[in-house]
Amino acid sequence: QVQLVESGGGVVQPGKSLRLSCAASGFTFNIYALHWVRQAPGQGLEWVAVVSHDGSKNHYADSVKGRFTISRDDSKNTLYLQMSNLRPNDTAVYYCVRGGVHPVGSKFDFWGQGALVIVSS
Amino acid sequence: DIQMTQSPSTLSASVGDRVTITCRASQSIGNWLAWYQQSPGKAPKLLIYKASNLESGVPSRFSGSGSGTEFTLAISSLQPDDFATYYCQHYNSYSYNFGQGTKLEIK
Repeated sequence: QVQLVESGGGVVQPGKSLRLSCAASGFTFNIYALHWVRQAPGQGLEWVAVVSHDGSKNHYADSVKGRFTISRDDSKNTLYLQMSNLRPNDTAVYYCVRGGVHPVGSKFDFWGQGALVIVSS
Repeated sequence: DIQMTQSPSTLSASVGDRVTITCRASQSIGNWLAWYQQSPGKAPKLLIYKASNLESGVPSRFSGSGSGTEFTLAISSLQPDDFATYYCQHYNSYSYNFGQGTKLEIK
């Protein structure tokens, strides 16, 4: 069965960096686009970033552009989110999500359990 | 960016009731609309995609309709597990915006 397991969350000071990982299993990893979606405490869902199935295309929400980098390692079936210059309003649960073959026009059909990132001094 | 607006924000209902949630897009999105259910402390779960297609394994009491700018999620005969928060999302551009959510509460 499809599994997405995030790791790397924790407490980090403002201005610092953190890298999230998402280990995938149960499907052919290298044919799917993958997303990060976040949810601040008590708030709604916010799409963060997407990487195409082959890693050649990335897109970001304006709120994280220039600070976050999404990448993938198909040899390890792992998705990453490198977060730098973190701000208190980046505090959220970060979900790894499977898209479709195409980055656009594909449903978000499987979600990980989420990794909590707290940005605080 | 295409903005998604859900109504109502909160909905109170009883087990066995039929309820509907509306989602409006700021411009036409065709049928590129999904609905998700999120229970407290859990990840969102896909219910409906392309406005009216039921995801595999989702009970048939859930249904979606609409196109263009106005969409509806209907739940017939509410079950205890259905009391959760529901989100709509458009997914045919690189903004993938979600609605703000509708919390379905037990009356």
